[in-house]
Amino acid sequence: KAGVTQTPRYLIKTRGQQVTLSCSPISGHRSVSWYQQTPGQGLQFLFEYFSETQRNKGNFPGRFSGRQFSNSRSEMNVSTLELGDSALYLCASSLDQGAYEQYFGPGTRLTVT
Amino acid sequence: GNSVTQMEGPVTLSEEAFLTINCTYTATGYPSLFWYVQYPGEGLQLLLKATKADDKGSNKGFEATYRKETTSFHLEKGSVQVSDSAVYFCALSDRNNNAGNMLTFGGGTRLMVKP
Repeated sequence: KAGVTQTPRYLIKTRGQQVTLSCSPISGHRSVSWYQQTPGQGLQFLFEYFSETQRNKGNFPGRFSGRQFSNSRSEMNVSTLELGDSALYLCASSLDQGAYEQYFGPGTRLTVT
Repeated sequence: GNSVTQMEGPVTLSEEAFLTINCTYTATGYPSLFWYVQYPGEGLQLLLKATKADDKGSNKGFEATYRKETTSFHLEKGSVQVSDSAVYFCALSDRNNNAGNMLTFGGGTRLMVKP
């Protein structure tokens, strides 16, 4: 079974631009979560989607948004990029919530200049 | 709120040494506990998990036991290899949180194993 895939793997953007990242979960998984990883803040939860609905949201500004499609694929968008948005963005998929394992993709490395 | 605290690294060991990485947690509910590993340039890989008190998760020679009385989930391995060099993350998911999935991570512990 194919794992979680994320595209693109690397991205360089300029401050003020916007960016869209994509995530395809493991086949059959309906939950997709997004995390931001930085050296200073570590791994932080952004949001989770389940059956096309945002089920949970972390403490990030409204510039960070996401959506999920009927095939469970998910996208996240960051508008008006800031230098501090430079990070590794990780997507994880799961069958459901709680005790179920989350499986992570390789991440998208975003650099904002 | 929920939180996870793990020992700061780096932890440097010689090959075949015994490994312990401490992890303690605070949770409002009844969490599931996980250890993830991250190799350079890669995402997180699930190493092991435990879903209730006294459960022992194990995989690839690594073990961790869910200790509710001490709110701990320490990672151990009897004999490390150079290939175990990576960053290890302890995490929890609060099963009483009906709002869905959210992993709360510790800060990560870098392990370096020398030949």
